[in-house]
Amino acid sequence: GAVVSQHPSWVICKSGTSVKIECRSLDFQATTMFWYRQFPKQSLMLMATSNEGSKATYEQGVEKDKFLINHASLTLSTLTVTSAHPEDSSFYICSARSGGHPTSIQETQYFGPGTRLLVL
Amino acid sequence: GQNIDQPTEMTATEGAIVQINCTYQTSGFNGLFWYQQHAGEAPTFLSYNVLDGLEEKGRFSSFLSRSKGYSYLLLKELQMKDSASYLCAVLDSNYQLIWGAGTKLIIKP
Repeated sequence: GAVVSQHPSWVICKSGTSVKIECRSLDFQATTMFWYRQFPKQSLMLMATSNEGSKATYEQGVEKDKFLINHASLTLSTLTVTSAHPEDSSFYICSARSGGHPTSIQETQYFGPGTRLLVL
Repeated sequence: GQNIDQPTEMTATEGAIVQINCTYQTSGFNGLFWYQQHAGEAPTFLSYNVLDGLEEKGRFSSFLSRSKGYSYLLLKELQMKDSASYLCAVLDSNYQLIWGAGTKLIIKP
């Protein structure tokens, strides 16, 4: 199946710093990438949807100036958590979808392995 | 609003069978997914149902009734490695995945 990678897998940073997380589709072109956040013992929460070459669409309640998303190419999307604070500590997961009708493939979204962020 | 309900936690015995239910109320329906998620890892795809009925895939089967807004995931011959959270997700009319909170399955020897 399709492979999506994320880097880094773990990051620990001081409060106030910015953290960049990369999401790459390794063997297909991802026209759409999704960024999720998951707090302990909770389900995935969609933060934003990004399409290559256009601005990301953020879910209600997600600060677009704090969570900067760049989908500059068909294989790379980045999420930058600006001025991170302890409450931003979470598990961040990206997923990617190739082109075409969403239901033309059973695996609508290929997930990356996730990035665990701890802000001290 | 959109809502997906599944039990928070279930316990079963190794070698047994367990059924995890999921009920949904969403704006439109374009299919239902089941994902498995081990602690600290991203979800992995298990199944996709868009038509009523049972889909069998090895030890795992998934059932859908669109008229009842209901699905279940059936796991047979349980193994210790099946201990994980199982997430039900519905693709709505906007092709957005709406996620349930997940069911934590605990397998006991």
